Amino acid sequence: GESVGLHLPTLSVQEGDNSIINCAYSNSASDYFIWYKQESGKGPQFIIDIRSNMDKRQGQRVTVLLNKTVKHLSLQIAATQPGDSAVYFCAERSGGSYIPTFGRGTSLIVHP
Amino acid sequence: NAGVTQTPKFRILKIGQSMTLQCTQDMNHNYMYWYRQDPGMGLKLIYYSVGAGITDKGEVPNGYNVSRSTTEDFPLRLELAAPSQTSVYFCASSYIAGGRDIQYFGAGTRLSVL
Repeated sequence: GESVGLHLPTLSVQEGDNSIINCAYSNSASDYFIWYKQESGKGPQFIIDIRSNMDKRQGQRVTVLLNKTVKHLSLQIAATQPGDSAVYFCAERSGGSYIPTFGRGTSLIVHP
Repeated sequence: NAGVTQTPKFRILKIGQSMTLQCTQDMNHNYMYWYRQDPGMGLKLIYYSVGAGITDKGEVPNGYNVSRSTTEDFPLRLELAAPSQTSVYFCASSYIAGGRDIQYFGAGTRLSVL
């Protein structure tokens, strides 16, 4: 079946570097994408979202890029900090569905 | 505004026991969800609800039941607990508006079935 997946299960970076977390999706009907951050022992927390009529959206230190041609989504974190260490999930939803589909997650480890 | 509140935070069950995981939200969201998360894995949808009195199965509903008698509460019932139900359970709520659907999650219930 169609699914959402991540390329890298673990990403290690140095404090101050920029981080890029990737996500591939296969459902061509997906029209809404969300990134969540899950810190150890906590529930996921919304970071940023993007609709399919956009290819880029920026937040505070985060940018989401959407490439519909290759069905690829990425989350860029600028000047990564130790507090950014967490598991990051992408999720997608297709029009008319109440149910988002979550990817497996990427663990981001930030070394001071 | 507490958001999504789950109780209990931890629980140990014996095989065959039953329990109810409680979930309450104070954001007046119509949509509520129950997920389970196994170690190192993503979220799997157990049940969801689009409003009071309406529930539907997700990806992994076997062994669970839900009810939604009010907008605020969405309890998850485990009947005849099995070791395979050892997991972390997350409740979430959301509202869908303007094409956006942001889910707000509780802190989770860590369940062990021994």
